[in-house]
Amino acid sequence: DAGITQSPRHKVTETGTPVTLRCHQTENHRYMYWYRQDPGHGLRLIHYSYGVKDTDKGEVSDGYSVSRSKTEDFLLTLESATSSQTSVYFCATRDRENTEAFFGQGTRLTVV
Amino acid sequence: GQNIDQPTEMTATEGAIVQINCTYQTSGFNGLFWYQQHAGEAPTFLSYNVLDGLEEKGRFSSFLSRSKGYSYLLLKELQMKDSASYLCAVRDPTSNYQLIWGAGTKLIIKP
Repeated sequence: DAGITQSPRHKVTETGTPVTLRCHQTENHRYMYWYRQDPGHGLRLIHYSYGVKDTDKGEVSDGYSVSRSKTEDFLLTLESATSSQTSVYFCATRDRENTEAFFGQGTRLTVV
Repeated sequence: GQNIDQPTEMTATEGAIVQINCTYQTSGFNGLFWYQQHAGEAPTFLSYNVLDGLEEKGRFSSFLSRSKGYSYLLLKELQMKDSASYLCAVRDPTSNYQLIWGAGTKLIIKP
């Protein structure tokens, strides 16, 4: 399995504060993804990256930004957290487009 | 639009067989994935189908019919550890080959 580490694993923050979640991989995979998972919904793509400094928006990108300055790190930032962003966030990586994705352990974010 | 449908929850008995269905309507199709997700954990890859037919991998098999927009995951000789959610995802080339995910099927195994 790919070595994918998410930090923090749990976070409680207040509405209006900025939050950054980190995903670190040791497999040199080209593609990296941020998803959110909410009850009753499938995994929903927030942003993804297909290389260093190459990122694109997913279906639920409003309120989120990302950066990828190194192959191994993909950061997700909530500029001003809202209660609707309370969720479990998963990072995933893929070596090529036609291969399976590997997931990090998730970050449970609560915005109060 | 993009839509992946799976039953929300299923119950089965230890040692039995269960079939979890997935139907999809997407703009394009370039493969279907099944993942397993235990409560509080990350999804893990189970199977991948891109051509019609059955792919067998130990106790788990996955079937695909592209003409019907239909797949199923078949779990045999159920064990208590198979209690988990099973996620179906379609890779759509018209969406930059991103995965479109179903909401998942929670499988409960009873003794």
